[in-house]
Amino acid sequence: QVQLVESGGGVVHPGRSLRLSCAASGFTFSTYVMVWVRQAPGKGLEWVALITPDGSIKSYGDSVKGRFTVSRDNSKDTLYLHMDSLRPEDTAVYFCARVDEPWTSISAALYWGPGTLVTVSS
Amino acid sequence: DIQMTQSPSTLSASVGDRVTITCRVSQSVSLWLAWYQQRPGKAPKLLIHKASTLQSGVPSRFSGSGSGTEFTLTISSLQPEDFATYYCQQYSGFSLYTFGPGTRLEIK
Repeated sequence: QVQLVESGGGVVHPGRSLRLSCAASGFTFSTYVMVWVRQAPGKGLEWVALITPDGSIKSYGDSVKGRFTVSRDNSKDTLYLHMDSLRPEDTAVYFCARVDEPWTSISAALYWGPGTLVTVSS
Repeated sequence: DIQMTQSPSTLSASVGDRVTITCRVSQSVSLWLAWYQQRPGKAPKLLIHKASTLQSGVPSRFSGSGSGTEFTLTISSLQPEDFATYYCQQYSGFSLYTFGPGTRLEIK
């Protein structure tokens, strides 16, 4: 069965960097668009980043553009989110998700990990 | 940027009620609209995609309709497990993934 498990969250000072990982299993990772979505405490869902199956196309939400980088290692079935210049407003649970259909970005997010909490605080 | 609104932001209802949540999008997204349910402390769950296609395993009391810029999610007869927060999301392109602000469905 499809499984996604995020890791790498924790407490970090403002201005510092952090890398999140999402380990995937139960499907052919290299054929699916993957996304990162975050949720600040008590707030709604916010799309963060998307990456195509081969990693050639990446896109970002406006609030993280220029600071966050999404990548993937298809040989390790792992998705990453490298976060630089972290701000207190980046504090959130970060979810990775797989879209429903292979090879297309025009597909809803069907499978989700449980999320990992990132807290940016001095 | 595409803007999304949901109404109402909070909905109070009772078990057995029929409820409808509306999602409006600032520009046409054709049918590329999904609905998610999220319970506290859990990841979102996909209920409906392509505006009206029920995801496998989701009870038939959930239904979606609409196209272009206005969409609705209807729950025909509320069950206790349906009290949660609901989000719409448009997914019409690489840089065009946006969630609505959410509708909290609470027990009256």
